Amino acid sequence: SQQGEEDPQALSIQEGENATMNCSYKTSINNLQWYRQNSGRGLVHLILIRSNEREKHSGRLRVTLDTSKKSSSLLITASRAADTASYFCATDYSSASKIIFGSGTRLSIRP
Amino acid sequence: DGGITQSPKYLFRKEGQNVTLSCEQNLNHDAMYWYRQDPGQGLRLIYYSQIVNDFQKGDIAEGYSVSREKKESFPLTVTSAQKNPTAFYLCASSIWAGELFFGEGSRLTVL
Repeated sequence: SQQGEEDPQALSIQEGENATMNCSYKTSINNLQWYRQNSGRGLVHLILIRSNEREKHSGRLRVTLDTSKKSSSLLITASRAADTASYFCATDYSSASKIIFGSGTRLSIRP
Repeated sequence: DGGITQSPKYLFRKEGQNVTLSCEQNLNHDAMYWYRQDPGQGLRLIYYSQIVNDFQKGDIAEGYSVSREKKESFPLTVTSAQKNPTAFYLCASSIWAGELFFGEGSRLTVL
């Protein structure tokens, strides 16, 4: 079963625009992470936000977490062609201590 | 350089054969994970291990087996009981419940 579900499944924007992806999950978590995957490659960690944090920034990335709604969002500002990739959220269950990934958002940046 | 090494990168299997995918890490991480990814899909957890000589089933463990005899190594065997093994397999490690470090993946095709 997938713990997290990303929305939208696919997103195409113009270079320079902002991209927002959302993740919803089902049970209590210790933390939520976002990863990026280029086609056919392993995943690369972007950012981790703990359950007691509401917002976190890293360069052009901004992540928010709303534990009351069991949801998170990833904002990429001033998008670039190199941002084209799939983005996944991953949650660490509070009780099971296993990390489960969502279904992902495929982001395409048009030049 | 520290990291995770998966081998082989590509593997072909005849029906009825068992195959073993290798995963080695030199990051001194306690936790290791195996995920399966089907085309255009998210990652599904097969097995994970928190410590040497101990491992737990993930969401899709049927038809797979693992061992954790050394901290550095977490091999995955895809058995003949796995009816649809063609997929991209990703290994990862972490300090417990932290950022996951991924290998570059192994692509298994059943002939």
